[in-house]
Amino acid sequence: GIQVEQSPPDLILQEGANSTLRCNFSDSVNNLQWFHQNPWGQLINLFYIPSGTKQNGRLSATTVATERYSLLYISSSQTTDSGVYFCAVGGATNKLIFGTGTLLAVQP
Amino acid sequence: NAGVTQTPKFQVLKTGQSMTLQCAQDMNHEYMSWYRQDPGMGLRLIHYSVGAGITDQGEVPNGYNVSRSTTEDFPLRLLSAAPSQTSVYFCASSPTFTPYGYTFGSGTRLTVV
Repeated sequence: GIQVEQSPPDLILQEGANSTLRCNFSDSVNNLQWFHQNPWGQLINLFYIPSGTKQNGRLSATTVATERYSLLYISSSQTTDSGVYFCAVGGATNKLIFGTGTLLAVQP
Repeated sequence: NAGVTQTPKFQVLKTGQSMTLQCAQDMNHEYMSWYRQDPGMGLRLIHYSVGAGITDQGEVPNGYNVSRSTTEDFPLRLLSAAPSQTSVYFCASSPTFTPYGYTFGSGTRLTVV
């Protein structure tokens, strides 16, 4: 099956800093999503982005499908951005496979 | 509109006991799935369903059964609980026949002793 690797595994930022999270995947995909899990465990869908670039406020994402990676950018980070960011991919099957996540801590 | 509702929120089982984790959605979503989350391992897909009457295995199906008799409900059954099944379980649904635009439930924390 498709393998998903995320980096870095952990990241500590000061409030106001920018960051880039990376997701590499091992095969072609037709489904790629980014999720945020807050410190209370709730999972929220951020982006559906199998290719191209999207922006939503301070967050943006880019997927280069031909090179099998996706990037999530967080600008002007806030303490509420803390949590775990997951990349999830799907290929020919109807399965959405998650990476192991990046744990982000934003300090005031 | 409650979204995806999981019950119970917490459960402690003894090894060998059986139980059913409930998942219900009121959004008329076609696709539903179950994941387990363990420290350092992300979310792993257990089973999924693309519609009523149709289920399929995910990455880690052993020890779990599912059925989808209605569009709204997708229960996960543990027939004989083992300590290795201690985890946080999430149910998710999608409005299409594919896992797009997931809505997650709030999770069930299960401990098997």
